[in-house]
Amino acid sequence: GAGVSQSPSNKVTEKGKDVELRCDPISGHTALYWYRQSLGQGLEFLIYFQGNSAPDKSGLPSDRFSAERTGGSVSTLTIQRTQQEDSAVYLCASSRTGGENTIYFGEGSWLTVV
Amino acid sequence: KQEVTQIPAALSVPEGENLVLNCSFTDSAIYNLQWFRQDPGKGLTSLLLIQSSQREQTSGRLNASLDKSSGRSTLYIAASQPGDSATYLCAVPHGSGNTGKLIFGQGTTLQVKP
Repeated sequence: GAGVSQSPSNKVTEKGKDVELRCDPISGHTALYWYRQSLGQGLEFLIYFQGNSAPDKSGLPSDRFSAERTGGSVSTLTIQRTQQEDSAVYLCASSRTGGENTIYFGEGSWLTVV
Repeated sequence: KQEVTQIPAALSVPEGENLVLNCSFTDSAIYNLQWFRQDPGKGLTSLLLIQSSQREQTSGRLNASLDKSSGRSTLYIAASQPGDSATYLCAVPHGSGNTGKLIFGQGTTLQVKP
């Protein structure tokens, strides 16, 4: 596609429910990233996929968070048993290879946990 | 631990003025540095990517410089326009290698008044 596509763009969920956020990277991009941006906080790294290598999950805040990337393309970020502090914008990005290439961000998925 | 700081947090200038945004980082062993722009409610747009071997990059009215030894980068915007109003973020990869795990500054929110 022309850019990184994320869905849903907005999601309101009740505390304790599970949510799935989807990311379609730019075609041909082997690297895919998830970041989180909370109100008043900076951008926080969550997870990084590079080709067939094991993902770097070092930024996931708890075991309630997980992500997968199927077929080296689409990625899904899953948050189980959501908490109010999970409310944030979840941004997906992709690049042709690793960090030496320009990173392209999607518009984000705005998650509100009530 | 790498830390990225941006000063000032906010800046308001009249249209037409030249301005400089600052970014500092604590660990000079960086692989590259990127400047991004974020409009309200939107994702990030990459503006300039400077490799560690480069001193500066230019794109239109934007010029970014990098001084690794002093741990600083500046983004120079010439002849500012109201359309330049946005939050500007700088980011460096975590560690000294090539990785998409970026550490972001808190950003400088720029307002250009007509």
